[in-house]
Amino acid sequence: DTEVTQTPKHLVMGMTNKKSLKCEQHMGHRAMYWYKQKAKKPPELMFVYSYEKLSINESVPSRFSPECPNSSLLNLHLHALQPEDSALYLCASSPQGRGGQNEQFFGPGTRLTVL
Amino acid sequence: QKEVEQNSGPLSVPEGAIASLNCTYSDRGSQSFFWYRQYSGKSPELIMFIYSNGDKEDGRFTAQLNKASQYVSLLIRDSQPSDSATYLCAAPSGNTPLVFGKGTRLSVIA
Repeated sequence: DTEVTQTPKHLVMGMTNKKSLKCEQHMGHRAMYWYKQKAKKPPELMFVYSYEKLSINESVPSRFSPECPNSSLLNLHLHALQPEDSALYLCASSPQGRGGQNEQFFGPGTRLTVL
Repeated sequence: QKEVEQNSGPLSVPEGAIASLNCTYSDRGSQSFFWYRQYSGKSPELIMFIYSNGDKEDGRFTAQLNKASQYVSLLIRDSQPSDSATYLCAAPSGNTPLVFGKGTRLSVIA
């Protein structure tokens, strides 16, 4: 299995909802990432998990809460989002977190719309 | 934070020509460089990575790295309309695993 999967593909939520995005990889990668991408902009790093521990939080608002239940799974819990949080949310994984094999492979993304 | 710079384009080339995409980076400590292709509405797809000075070829793609000039490029030979996409250059910098350039939009005209 050489891919990163993400569910759901699309999500529409209100500002008072709580929802979760899920990401899974079975490549034995030890680092996983959440990115946010707005139209015509590059991906913007949100969180990094390395060996199942949160290693980077790029000053993301607390309405986004990451979770790494095991080395293959990564979740992003969403609560009280704002319309400006509407974007493509990308999960990625890499063999290692830093140095060495750090080529990242992206999942297909979740297109999030906040009403 | 150190930067990765790309010309946003659009870069238009005729079908069958060589497309040349360029990227400069400011962090001399960066040791690895990545090219991603992103079709509209899709996620980035890794197409090349390069760690050493010189050229690295994979099919129609060649990545070139010049660490002295802090310059990395991607050549696409025999460009096809299906190569039309945004190409993102990326490199690690400091504690950031990957810093992305803003991307170059390539249009291959049939």
